Amino acid sequence: EDKVVQSPLSLVVHEGDTVTLNCSYEVTNFRSLLWYKQEKKAPTFLFMLTSSGIEKKSGRLSSILDKKELSSILNITATQTGDSAIYLCAVDSGGKLIFGQGTELSVKP
Amino acid sequence: GAGVSQSPRYKVAKRGQDVALRCDPISGHVSLFWYQQALGQGPEFLTYFQNEAQLDKSGLPSDRFFAERPEGSVSTLKIQRTQQEDSAVYLCASSLVTGGGEKLFFGSGTQLSVL
Repeated sequence: EDKVVQSPLSLVVHEGDTVTLNCSYEVTNFRSLLWYKQEKKAPTFLFMLTSSGIEKKSGRLSSILDKKELSSILNITATQTGDSAIYLCAVDSGGKLIFGQGTELSVKP
Repeated sequence: GAGVSQSPRYKVAKRGQDVALRCDPISGHVSLFWYQQALGQGPEFLTYFQNEAQLDKSGLPSDRFFAERPEGSVSTLKIQRTQQEDSAVYLCASSLVTGGGEKLFFGSGTQLSVL
């Protein structure tokens, strides 16, 4: 059965800290891996990764895929309170997304 | 519209009632997905439309769940004889192109509470 597992499930840090969120997957038909940020209800797109070893970067956020290890990490440097959210990892498997449980990040002032 | 619009935002139903949830995708978007997100969990795939064709309904949990997109734009997810385990946020997402790997635009969801 296809599955995506994220860790940790929750994380509390202070402003300025750096965090690393993990995602591992077992999916039979892998097309890409995506990261979303979910505040309140609607997930918003962060990154899409298809090739192993190539880092995607946007401001303080970056992500990389390791196809050999079937995993990905999302890094956030110099965290801010506005980074508080649930971060979802998903694998595109033949057009539909298989999501992990999410990591709930709380950034304290 | 500017984004994916879902209505109602909140729905409270008594167990056994039928409900209908509406999704207005971004204009011109071919692909439309429905996901169910239980509290503390990630979204789970329900069904997928390409234009008006329902190409995948493998995630619908029971025959009480039915989805349609008759004209290839607005979609409705209907749940008959609601049960408490149906309580969740129902997310709709649309994408400009078909196939996989494209980023989706999600709506804000409908939070369904079945009492």
